[in-house]
Amino acid sequence: KQEVTQIPAALSVPEGENLVLNCSFTDSAIYNLQWFRQDPGKGLTSLLLIQSSQREQTSGRLNASLDKSSGRSTLYIAASQPGDSATYLCAVEGNTPLVFGKGTRLSVIA
Amino acid sequence: SQTIHQWPATLVQPVGSPLSLECTVEGTSNPNLYWYRQAAGRGLQLLFYSVGIGQISSEVPQNLSASRPQDRQFILSSKKLLLSDSGFYLCAWRSPGQKNFGPGTRLTVL
Repeated sequence: KQEVTQIPAALSVPEGENLVLNCSFTDSAIYNLQWFRQDPGKGLTSLLLIQSSQREQTSGRLNASLDKSSGRSTLYIAASQPGDSATYLCAVEGNTPLVFGKGTRLSVIA
Repeated sequence: SQTIHQWPATLVQPVGSPLSLECTVEGTSNPNLYWYRQAAGRGLQLLFYSVGIGQISSEVPQNLSASRPQDRQFILSSKKLLLSDSGFYLCAWRSPGQKNFGPGTRLTVL
């Protein structure tokens, strides 16, 4: 059974810092890995999708990497801004539909 | 462009009352549709998914049921709500390679 773990559960950083969010999964037989952002009381916004054959994806200040063999992914956020404050969710898709981690709650302090 | 709608946005219901949450998708045909629940401290859990009209797969045994009466309509129901049914319910559809989520329904069972 696939399990997804995200560390840390919460993170508070000053504005302008670069930061890394971690995601690990137990079953490396995945099709893809997706990072989402969730604002309080809102739905999920897809940030980046990495196919199993890819090593990383970039969008603006965000960079996600995937090491499928070790079951790990990282989301790198450069030059963080207060507007980046949200919960970030990692999810993997394999033989079963998306399995989510519990998320990392990020606060960027101005 | 594709759009996903959910209603109501929030709902407060007494224990033992029925439930009906609706999800509709625009701008695509024959989508794979999903219901997820996000409960406090438990992350996102897949409840049901559907690959077509009348086709429902259940991921976990529970007090809820789902139906897909039309191609772009997915309904989550219960005959008698339990306290444990409280949570944030998200509908999603699958475009090539990724999931796209609706705005969610916050359900509080009292």
